[in-house]
Amino acid sequence: GAGVSQTPSNKVTEKGKYVELRCDPISGHTALYWYRQSLGQGPEFLIYFQGTGAADDSGLPNDRFFAVRPEGSVSTLKIQRTERGDSAVYLCASSSGQVNTEAFFGQGTRLTVV
Amino acid sequence: KQEVTQIPAALSVPEGENLVLNCSFTDSAIYNLQWFRQDPGKGLTSLLLIQSSQREQTSGRLNASLDKSSGRSTLYIAASQPGDSATYLCAVRMDSSYKLIFGSGTRLLVRP
Repeated sequence: GAGVSQTPSNKVTEKGKYVELRCDPISGHTALYWYRQSLGQGPEFLIYFQGTGAADDSGLPNDRFFAVRPEGSVSTLKIQRTERGDSAVYLCASSSGQVNTEAFFGQGTRLTVV
Repeated sequence: KQEVTQIPAALSVPEGENLVLNCSFTDSAIYNLQWFRQDPGKGLTSLLLIQSSQREQTSGRLNASLDKSSGRSTLYIAASQPGDSATYLCAVRMDSSYKLIFGSGTRLLVRP
């Protein structure tokens, strides 16, 4: 695609429910990142994929959060037993995989846990 | 631990002014620094990427400088326009990692 695509754009869920957020990176980009942005703050790193494998998942806050990228393209961020504190904008980015290249971001998924 | 700070947090200027946004970082061992623009409710748009070996990058009315040794970067916007109103974020990539570490951003309002 022309850019990074994230679905849904908005998600409202009840506390305790399970949610999946999808990211479709720019075609050919091997590197994919998930970030979380709270109101008034800059994005915070969650996880980085190089191809199919999670090269760095040090930003995942706890074991309720999990992400996959089974075929090295689309990625899904999965949140179990959602809590109100999980409410934020979840941003996905991709890059060509070279460390000196730009990261391109999607429009984000606004998650609200009620 | 790397910390990125952006000052001011908010800025309001009349149209036509030249302005400077500041970004500072505590650990100079960065690989590159990237400036982004974020419109309300939207994702991030990349503006400029400066490699650690570079001093500045220019794109149209935007000029970004990098002083790695002092841990500072500035984004200069010439002849500001109301359409420049947005939040501007800087982010650094460390030598040993692919992840970006962001500042909290500067909210810019350009008044007509």
